[in-house]
Amino acid sequence: DIQMTQSPSSLSASVGDRVTITCRASQSISSYLNWYQQKPGKAPKLLIYAASSLQSGVPSRFSGSGSGTDFTLTISSLQPEDFATYYCQQSYSMFYLTFGGGTKVEIK
Amino acid sequence: EVQLVQSGAEVKKPGESLKISCKGSGYSFTSYWIGWVRQMPGKGLEWMGIIYPGDSDTRYSPSFQGQVTISADKSISTAYLQWSSLKASDTAMYYCARLRELERRLGYAFDIWGQGTMVTVSS
Repeated sequence: DIQMTQSPSSLSASVGDRVTITCRASQSISSYLNWYQQKPGKAPKLLIYAASSLQSGVPSRFSGSGSGTDFTLTISSLQPEDFATYYCQQSYSMFYLTFGGGTKVEIK
Repeated sequence: EVQLVQSGAEVKKPGESLKISCKGSGYSFTSYWIGWVRQMPGKGLEWMGIIYPGDSDTRYSPSFQGQVTISADKSISTAYLQWSSLKASDTAMYYCARLRELERRLGYAFDIWGQGTMVTVSS
């Protein structure tokens, strides 16, 4: 089983800050890594797929990088609407699509 | 518009059965896998399993194998998640989501999500 570990589990940042969230896989998953954003009381939303491709309609301040076991989601300039929890998810194993534990981003 | 619409919230007692639904529209329902994801109160996302409505091929997370049943009726573009005997620990929000195959064989992603169905199990 591929385990996904996110860090930190939560962070607090100011509007305009650059924010970085890390996701680590327990084995190499190439670029089969997706990022989702979930706002309180809402369904998750796909942000980044295949490690670095921006989903249509997602603001360009979001970006993803990495391959193998280590991945990063970056928000270049944090906006108030970015208050949310972010999850990574691997699709290297299509029939075992594990999520990371989530990173809660709070606005200072 | 491509969308998944889930059935409404449920309140059940332990030991009761339940079947919740997820209806797809705006796309070819039989051409995409549909997944189910659990989110317990205040917790993260857990992948439960997926079904391909075209032929009903179904795969479960080992954590949920034997605990739930995933099915689909392609004639009405609807996927289902069911329990035969609910437990208090099944209390959670359940999401269905469409699994899209990415270009250049770069894996799969859940690109369309239902609004969620809250299941509460309490005596």
